[in-house]
Amino acid sequence: DAKTTQPPSMDCAEGRAANLPCNHSTISGNEYVYWYRQIHSQGPQYIIHGLKNNETNEMASLIITEDRKSSTLILPHATLRDTAVYYCIVRAQFSGNTGKLIFGQGTTLQVKP
Amino acid sequence: EPEVTQTPSHQVTQMGQEVILRCVPISNHLYFYWYRQILGQKVEFLVSFYNNEISEKSEIFDDQFSVERPDGSNFTLKIRSTKLEDSAMYFCASSEEREDTQYFGPGTRLTVL
Repeated sequence: DAKTTQPPSMDCAEGRAANLPCNHSTISGNEYVYWYRQIHSQGPQYIIHGLKNNETNEMASLIITEDRKSSTLILPHATLRDTAVYYCIVRAQFSGNTGKLIFGQGTTLQVKP
Repeated sequence: EPEVTQTPSHQVTQMGQEVILRCVPISNHLYFYWYRQILGQKVEFLVSFYNNEISEKSEIFDDQFSVERPDGSNFTLKIRSTKLEDSAMYFCASSEEREDTQYFGPGTRLTVL
């Protein structure tokens, strides 16, 4: 089972920031937080990942709380094309991990004009 | 930018027939994965593959499934005798190292009649 909890759906106005929360209260010290999104039935698209520091790339920012039990994905200026299902996934690095990703139900983000 | 490709985009087959789904991972990647997504459900891990061997497989990946890297570029998923419940989107993914980010292909929609 997925080790994360996300709200099933959220709305956001076009041009505004979309803040998608994720709870991962049982995260271990060697587990990263990954975010992917899936637009319609396309393949999951990698967005960003982090361990404990906040991260930013051209797509989004990832804010991880100091205790690492939750995180927020921020899309700074949401567009209609950002409408998708967003998945927050915790994933162990090293130590016998075969690399598989365990997807939950994700958050369906609807960006509205 | 390098990307994972998959063919065909849509495959329709009769129950009991064999199908082969093809993937071309990103060229310098060493770890390969198959996932599937039944309509309306979560993305599920099927199998991981490294160094010409299966690293891990899920309960879904029974004897009807097999994977192969027949040459230096292709990675295939074979379903020997398809069932109605095999109808799903099948996604291939690859990563450079086990702990690295996985990049997904666009998927193959398999319809079993």
